[in-house]
This record gives sequence, structure tokens and C-alpha cells, in this order.
Amino acid sequence: RKEVEQDPGPFNVPEGATVAFNCTYSNSASQSFFWYRQDCRKEPKLLMSVYSSGNEDGRFTAQLNRASQYISLLIRDSKLSDSATYLCVVNGYNFNKFYFGSGTKLNVKP
Amino acid sequence: EAGVTQFPSHSVIEKGQTVTLRCDPISGHDNLYWYRRVMGKEIKFLLHFVKESKQDESGMPNNRFLAERTGGTYSTLKVQPAELEDSGVYFCASSQDSGIDGYGYTFGSGTRLTVV
Repeated sequence: RKEVEQDPGPFNVPEGATVAFNCTYSNSASQSFFWYRQDCRKEPKLLMSVYSSGNEDGRFTAQLNRASQYISLLIRDSKLSDSATYLCVVNGYNFNKFYFGSGTKLNVKP
Repeated sequence: EAGVTQFPSHSVIEKGQTVTLRCDPISGHDNLYWYRRVMGKEIKFLLHFVKESKQDESGMPNNRFLAERTGGTYSTLKVQPAELEDSGVYFCASSQDSGIDGYGYTFGSGTRLTVV
């Protein structure tokens, strides 16, 4: 079983739509959770950390459910510039080793 | 602040040759990581340095891969001899604090390695 699982998508949504991604992780001892964004042929860039109480950054909201071992990312009022692959990242038994999901591709269309 | 710098950005080599990738982390970042993404797969951990010491090299695929970080500044990742399955994108990342503190990494733009 993979450490981190994500729906690869693609999610095709119109501008202004709200879209949500989920990600599940296998290690109940994981402590750190992140969403990264990766544009085509570019490096991953940190979008936001995910905190136990949930957190929001502008149009982006991240939630953590430890009991069910999943994290989510909600994007409101989607922009064309949000089109990218969103990577779920979780640390493992070795807290300095991060595990990446394979990414969820988002296409926002006019 | 300069970001994480990697070079070369692309490298095409023949099977059996040697290639050395370099990573310059953000100044002051003690933690340096190497990750790679092979075609169609997720990004996977290779190893982690704290300053010049290898903290965890459990992700190194085999002894054809050698990573160094002399002096605790830049790092090199050498593949010798390269095989076809080594093709992929090699990312370096650095962080000031450890992953447990909830701080994410800053990634370099990667080296795209093609072994033919």
C-alpha cells in the first residue's frame, strides 16, 4: 500500500467553481502535512501546511482528519492560474522523510 | 534571498557514463534533501543531510548513487555508472528546521536526467 494516495484526476472545472481534493495517508504517526503545487515541468512549491484545527489562506482551505487519516484541500472561486498538479505530502516514521502523493491534476477552464 | 539552486538543469548521458548533480541550498539551511521522480511515479525520497552528515540515506536505490555534502554547504549526487532506469527528475530541497516542526521544504528547479 502506498504511503500517500491521491485521486490523479484530472478535475476539469469552470472559473469561479469550488473544487475539493482529498488525500489519504497510511502512517498514523505522521505529524506534518502539506499541500504542494507543481506546474508542468517545474519544481513543487509549498502551497500550505495543514494544521490539526484546519487552516485557511485566502481562497484555499486545508483540513486534517486524523481519525480517518485524510487531508483535504478546498479551492474556492477557482482562477485559471490555479491550473496545476496538487501534491499531498506527509511525513513518515522518520519525521524528516516526506512521502508524496502522485498528485491531483486541476484544469480550470474559462 | 536566493533559492535552492540546482545544476545542470538537464543532462543527457549514455548508459555506463558518470553524471554528477549539484545542489546549492538556501544559505543557512542545515537540512538538505534529495528526491527524485521517475517517469509515471510519485516523487520519492533519496536522502537527507543535516549539515555535512547523512541523517538518512534509506531511499538511495543502490551503491551506484553517492551523495556528499562536504563542509555542510552544497551537495553533489553522483551516479556511476548510470543505467536507463536512473532517468528522471532529481530534486534537491532545503529547510532550516526539521520536518517535524511543520515547515515545508523549498525545492530547487530540478535536474532532468536522461540516460540513453
